[in-house]
Amino acid sequence: TQLLEQSPQFLSIQEGENLTVYCNSSSVFSSLQWYRQEPGEGPVLLVTVVTGGEVKKLKRLTFQFGDARKDSSLHITAAQPGDTGLYLCGVRGNTGKLIFGQGTTLQVKP
Amino acid sequence: EPEVTQTPSHQVTQMGQEVILRCVPISNHLYFYWYRQILGQKVEFLVSFYNNEISEKSEIFDDQFSVERPDGSNFTLKIRSTKLEDSAMYFCASSIDRNSGNTIYFGEGSWLTVV
Repeated sequence: TQLLEQSPQFLSIQEGENLTVYCNSSSVFSSLQWYRQEPGEGPVLLVTVVTGGEVKKLKRLTFQFGDARKDSSLHITAAQPGDTGLYLCGVRGNTGKLIFGQGTTLQVKP
Repeated sequence: EPEVTQTPSHQVTQMGQEVILRCVPISNHLYFYWYRQILGQKVEFLVSFYNNEISEKSEIFDDQFSVERPDGSNFTLKIRSTKLEDSAMYFCASSIDRNSGNTIYFGEGSWLTVV
C-alpha cells in the first residue's frame, strides 16, 4: 500500500483549462511538500505546507493542506504548456528521507 | 543557487559489471540521499546517509548496493554485479537537516542503462 495516493495519475488538458491534483493518505503529517519534475531532471520543490487548512499560492498554482493534515491538493488555473511535467507530493520521515506519491503526469496541449 | 551535481549523466554498462555513481552535495548540507526512478515509474527512496553512516535504507537497497563519502565532498553509490532491472535514473539529494519543513535538493540524475 502507498503511503501517499495521488490522483489522477495522468492528465491531458488543453491550454487555458483548470485542473486539480490530489494527494491523500490515512496518516497525519506535520508537513507535506509538492515537487515538480521535468523529463530528464530531478524533482524541484514547489512548496511546503505545514498548517492544517493552509493555502499557499505560487502564481497560478494554489496548494492546500487538509484540515486534518492527511491530504493536500494542487490547483492550477489557466494551465499553460510550460506546466507540463510530473507533479509529486512527498512527506519526510524521522530520518529525513522524503517519500513520494506515485506522481501525476500532466500534459498541457497548446 | 547552490546545487547538487551528479556524474556521469548517462552510463551504459554490461550486465554483471560494477558501477559507481558520483554526487557532490550542497556544501553545508549534512544529510544525503539516493533515489531511483525506473522509466515511467515513481521516484523511490534507496538510502539516507548522515554522519558517515547509513541512517535508513529501503528494501531495494540490498547487498548489491553500497554508499560512501570517501573524501568529505563526494557521495557515491556503488552498484555491484548490475542486472538489467537496475536500469533507471538515479538521483542524489541532500538537505541541511532532517526537518520535515525544509527542502531536499535533488541533482539532475544519472541515467544508468544495463545491457
